[in-house]
Amino acid sequence: EIVLTQSPGTLSLSPGLRVSLSCWTSQTVTSTYIAWYQQKPGQAPRLLIYGTSTRATGIPDRFSGSGSGTDFTLTISRLEPEDSAVYFCQQYSRSPFTFGPGTKVEIK
Amino acid sequence: QVQLVQSGAEARKPGASVKLSCTTSGYSFSGYFIHWLRRAPGQGLEWMGWVNPISGGTEYARKFQGRVTMTRDTSISTAYMELRSLTSYDTAVYYCARVYGNSPCDYWGQGTLVTVSS
Repeated sequence: EIVLTQSPGTLSLSPGLRVSLSCWTSQTVTSTYIAWYQQKPGQAPRLLIYGTSTRATGIPDRFSGSGSGTDFTLTISRLEPEDSAVYFCQQYSRSPFTFGPGTKVEIK
Repeated sequence: QVQLVQSGAEARKPGASVKLSCTTSGYSFSGYFIHWLRRAPGQGLEWMGWVNPISGGTEYARKFQGRVTMTRDTSISTAYMELRSLTSYDTAVYYCARVYGNSPCDYWGQGTLVTVSS
């Protein structure tokens, strides 16, 4: 099983700032198979990024993804109040399709 | 528009079973696998398995093998997930999501809360 680790666990930041969230995989994962999701309280997860760097339909361009091998990053270039959420990375290269524990982003 | 609508909240006692439904619309049901995932309180997302809408074939996470069954009814574009021998650790919000080929979950159901308590 591929284990995903995310850092940091929680962030509290002001609007307008740039933030980078990290995700590491326990084995090399082809960049095609890394996704990022956003989940707000009481809502289902929403797909933000797939294939490491491709934005899903309707996702603002302030969200971007990068990385390769075992090290992947989600960047939010200018934080908005509505970005307050938990962000999960996922690998869908190999079953079981595992997720990281999540990074909680709080907007001050 | 694509929609996945899940059945309502359930409460069960330990040892019981629960069967959840996920009714889809707005796309070709046969074109996308349905995956089931869950999120327990204070925990992250956990993938449980998938069902192939055409063949009915399934793959389950090892953790749930022997305790879960995923099925579908193509006539009503609905997928089902039954989980047996419930314990308090199964208390979670359960989600269905659609997946095209080797892609991530692009549309999700709204979630179903399952509470297991004596």
